[in-house]
Amino acid sequence: QVQLQESGPGLVKPSETLSLTCTVSGGSLSTHYWSWIRQTPGKGPEWIGNIFHSGSTTYNPSLQSRVTMSVDVSKNHFSLRLRSVTAADTAVYFCARMPARWEYWFDPWGQGTLVTVSS
Amino acid sequence: QSVLTQPPSVSGAPGQRVTISCTGSSSNIGAGYDVHWYQHLPGAAPKLLIYNHNDRPSGVPDRFSGSKSGTSASLAISGLQAEDEADYYCQSYDISLSGNYVFGTGTKVTVL
Repeated sequence: QVQLQESGPGLVKPSETLSLTCTVSGGSLSTHYWSWIRQTPGKGPEWIGNIFHSGSTTYNPSLQSRVTMSVDVSKNHFSLRLRSVTAADTAVYFCARMPARWEYWFDPWGQGTLVTVSS
Repeated sequence: QSVLTQPPSVSGAPGQRVTISCTGSSSNIGAGYDVHWYQHLPGAAPKLLIYNHNDRPSGVPDRFSGSKSGTSASLAISGLQAEDEADYYCQSYDISLSGNYVFGTGTKVTVL
């Protein structure tokens, strides 16, 4: 059974770069799409972007100018970098798997990691 | 950010049936894109409940069912149980945002 686990700093200073890694166990990154999703308290989740094992990416247009995703198949993990963060980027960040481009549900998800942007 | 609208809360007694609506528009649900539903317990990973309107992953009880009509979708929970108390989110695809996977505003289900 595939499991995902997010890791990274829980506190990031304004204007700096948020960096998170999602480690996949029980399966290979060489299939499916891999996603980052975030959620601020009291709001619905927001899709950040997808990456395929080839490195091909698709990003949310509202975040595209600040987001970079990467994948390391040999280490079975993929990563998120979000530049120039502000308090509005404070959220719980989840990683998840998407079966295929046109099978666009997310399953499974990681438990999520809270990232706070504050000086 | 959420382009799919859900009621903030619904409640029901154990054994009752509750429904959660998910209202979209002609650029997402109304355009024929599939709707998926998730259950989120505090501190846990969100769990896929329904995909493609009314398909259930292995292990999800048939008490959970989905439907879609026009620009809206619904999740029904029959035989409500205490363990169903959680947040529920719908999700679809939206063509107006240059290809974007969109979520609902979320509904808190309370078991009375």
